Amino acid sequence: AQTVTQSQPEMSVQEAETVTLSCTYDTSESDYYLFWYKQPPSRQMILVIRQEAYKQQNATENRFSVNFQKAAKSFSLKISDSQLGDAAMYFCAPIYNTDKLIFGTGTRLQVFP
Amino acid sequence: KAGVTQTPRYLIKTRGQQVTLSCSPISGHRSVSWYQQTPGQGLQFLFEYFSETQRNKGNFPGRFSGRQFSNSRSEMNVSTLELGDSALYLCASSGGGLGETQYFGPGTRLLVL
Repeated sequence: AQTVTQSQPEMSVQEAETVTLSCTYDTSESDYYLFWYKQPPSRQMILVIRQEAYKQQNATENRFSVNFQKAAKSFSLKISDSQLGDAAMYFCAPIYNTDKLIFGTGTRLQVFP
Repeated sequence: KAGVTQTPRYLIKTRGQQVTLSCSPISGHRSVSWYQQTPGQGLQFLFEYFSETQRNKGNFPGRFSGRQFSNSRSEMNVSTLELGDSALYLCASSGGGLGETQYFGPGTRLLVL
């Protein structure tokens, strides 16, 4: 079974600080895509960042960056200069050989002023 | 561009009834995927439609069905509703290429009494 593990059910960070959310996955595929989505209390799922597995360079989007370790099957999300609006559930989700996102269980991020 | 829209946003049904949910993708997107989100099971893939054809299917009973129209709008239908069908139903659209970003709608919250 293709599993996605987010081992931190909850994380907290102070405004302006940095936090890292972890994600590991299991697949025998060599080409795939990895996503982080955030889901704020409104329940709207919002794309945070996308990584192509064949690219060694880690993706970045403004304050969001990933540490992609293909051999370790690890895909962590780093949020720098955390803001109150970053508070949400964060889901790691790979896509393998179909257009099916496989979601982890999520990490609830709290941001304190 | 307008985002993904879903109607209705909220729905209350009773056991045994059937329900139809609608999703309008981003203009130009040909793929629509449906996901179910519950507290117990998390986010699970239902099915994906591309150019009016079901391209992928998740592990849900036959009571869950869908279709896609020539304008890429999609509907999903749940027949003989059960209490366990209470969930947030999310649809997402993309261009349809493998690994393309899926953009989500606001969801339809279904409550089965």
